[in-house]
Amino acid sequence: DVKVTQSSRYLVKRTGEKVFLECVQDMDHENMFWYRQDPGLGLRLIYFSYDVKMKEKGDIPEGYSVSREKKERFSLILESASTNQTSMYLCASSSKDSGRNSNEQFFGPGTRLTVL
Amino acid sequence: GQSLEQPSEVTAVEGAIVQINCTYQTSGFYGLSWYQQHDGGAPTFLSYNALDGLEETGRFSSFLSRSDSYGYLLLQELQMKDSASYFCAVRDGTDKLIFGTGTRLQVFP
Repeated sequence: DVKVTQSSRYLVKRTGEKVFLECVQDMDHENMFWYRQDPGLGLRLIYFSYDVKMKEKGDIPEGYSVSREKKERFSLILESASTNQTSMYLCASSSKDSGRNSNEQFFGPGTRLTVL
Repeated sequence: GQSLEQPSEVTAVEGAIVQINCTYQTSGFYGLSWYQQHDGGAPTFLSYNALDGLEETGRFSSFLSRSDSYGYLLLQELQMKDSASYFCAVRDGTDKLIFGTGTRLQVFP
């Protein structure tokens, strides 16, 4: 059974803290993604990665950074958490091809982050 | 800019048929997909259309018209478990997806 796992389901942090969200996939996928999901705004892409040590900014990268040291692991870092980063964070992965597979993203269960 | 438009909410009764529309405006187009997300759950992939026409998968079908930049998800024989949010998504030529803001479907008995 294919799987994307995230390090925490719920996380509470204080303003100014450094926050690490970890994502691991076991499908040997090349592509990995970090989204945040807020009511009425759908899924917004923060960062994505096509390969190890490679990263690309998504639509809302400000205040975030990422790290991909190994193919299966993609980390999202909030350098100094702020209250407007309170959200649901979703990690996803997909394989790299030109057809259906790259349209099919597999999502982790999400991390609900609250910044106080 | 790039955008996908879909209704925010749709309601229907068990056994009925419902259609969720999606219009898109993107810089590139490499397929329209649909995802389902139950409350508290992760989005899961439902369907994919690369070419014009209808794709059927059990009770769910998805349609695409590239000339109209339009697609829809058709859910037949609705069940209570179909109550969820449904997102359309377009792959824009890279391997990333652009998602719509989602349609919340409520199925009533």
